[in-house]
Amino acid sequence: EIVMTQSPATLSVSLGERATLSCRASQSVSDNLAWYQQKPGQAPRLLIYGASARATGIPARFSGSGSGTEFTLTISSLQSEDFAVYYCQQYDNWPPWTFGQGTKVEIK
Amino acid sequence: EVRVLESGGGLVQPGGSLRLSCAASGFSFNNYLMAWVRQAPGKGLEWVSAITGGGSSTYYENFVKGRFTISRDNSKNTLYLQMNSLSAEDTALYFCARGRQQLGAWYYFDWWGQGTLVTVAS
Repeated sequence: EIVMTQSPATLSVSLGERATLSCRASQSVSDNLAWYQQKPGQAPRLLIYGASARATGIPARFSGSGSGTEFTLTISSLQSEDFAVYYCQQYDNWPPWTFGQGTKVEIK
Repeated sequence: EVRVLESGGGLVQPGGSLRLSCAASGFSFNNYLMAWVRQAPGKGLEWVSAITGGGSSTYYENFVKGRFTISRDNSKNTLYLQMNSLSAEDTALYFCARGRQQLGAWYYFDWWGQGTLVTVAS
């Protein structure tokens, strides 16, 4: 099973600032990596797939990068609606599909 | 518009059973792998089970093997999860998710329902 590790657990950011979230896989997942956003009481929403492709309707301020074992989600200029928990997920070697433990982005 | 709507959650005693349903609309249901993902209170996301579009192949996380059964009725555009021998550790919000295929045999989850809450307690 591939273990996904996200850092940091919590990221405190001011409105308009840049946020950088990291995700590491225990072995290579190529570019088969997705990012999801989850707000309290809501379902997860797909942001990024293929490590860097934005899902339909996702604003350009969200970008993903990386391949192999190291990945990054960048939010270029945080908006109020971006405060949420973000999860990475590998889908290279399944089953199981595995998620990171999440990074909470909170207001500084 | 793609929609997936879970139902069937509730309070059940340890050792009991429950069947979850997920009604899908807005897409060709039989062409998509479907999955169940759960989230314990205050915790992260955990994949539970998946089934291919035609229903011929099923997959389970180790902790539910032999207890949970995933199935689908493509004539009704509905996904199911039969859960038996439930324990407190199964308490979670259960999400239904659509698997989107990416070049070959790689699937990520592009649409999620709002979830149905399963509480296992005496």
